[in-house]
Amino acid sequence: GDSVTQMEGPVTLSEEAFLTINCTYTATGYPSLFWYVQYPGEGLQLLLKATKADDKGSNKGFEATYRKETTSFHLEKGSVQVSDSAVYFCALISPQGAQKLVFGQGTRLTINP
Amino acid sequence: KAGVTQTPRYLIKTRGQQVTLSCSPISGHRSVSWYQQTPGQGLQFLFEYFSETQRNKGNFPGRFSGRQFSNSRSEMNVSTLELGDSALYLCASSLAAGIRSNTGELFFGEGSRLTVL
Repeated sequence: GDSVTQMEGPVTLSEEAFLTINCTYTATGYPSLFWYVQYPGEGLQLLLKATKADDKGSNKGFEATYRKETTSFHLEKGSVQVSDSAVYFCALISPQGAQKLVFGQGTRLTINP
Repeated sequence: KAGVTQTPRYLIKTRGQQVTLSCSPISGHRSVSWYQQTPGQGLQFLFEYFSETQRNKGNFPGRFSGRQFSNSRSEMNVSTLELGDSALYLCASSLAAGIRSNTGELFFGEGSRLTVL
């Protein structure tokens, strides 16, 4: 079945550091890909998305490119801030089967000042 | 514009009891999905409702059930609670039936945290 694998956390960085959170997926066909973020005590929020190969999603300085050849959707940010501390979830929805989001395990990110 | 509202936010139950969780979607949203979040299993899809009909269902036992009312509010019920049902239950709403038919954006509530003792 469809699955998403994220890099193990937690990840701790200093403010202004470069961030990469790896995400790879397994799915039939061409899924749509998403990054959701969960701030402490809150529900999940959509951070960015890409719906076809080579699309780049971007929001709030975060970017991720849909790479079909490597089945990846890595999240990057050039200069992180303390306010970026949260749990990040990579997710997909398959073009086949049930219309549901399949999530990765989540990566907890902590940014120190 | 009010967000997705879930009640109760926290609850404690004992094994064998049942629980009902409520979700009020964003006004105008007709699709409601439920997810279970646990440290071990992560986020897992429970079911999705649209116009009072269950459209999709995840791989959970029959003890987990739900329904949607004509005003799009939804409830989920878990009967004969087990220790492993302790989790954060998240409700999400969206405009259309099925994620693929819209932008793919779900709007999540803050969740109901269930502890089973």
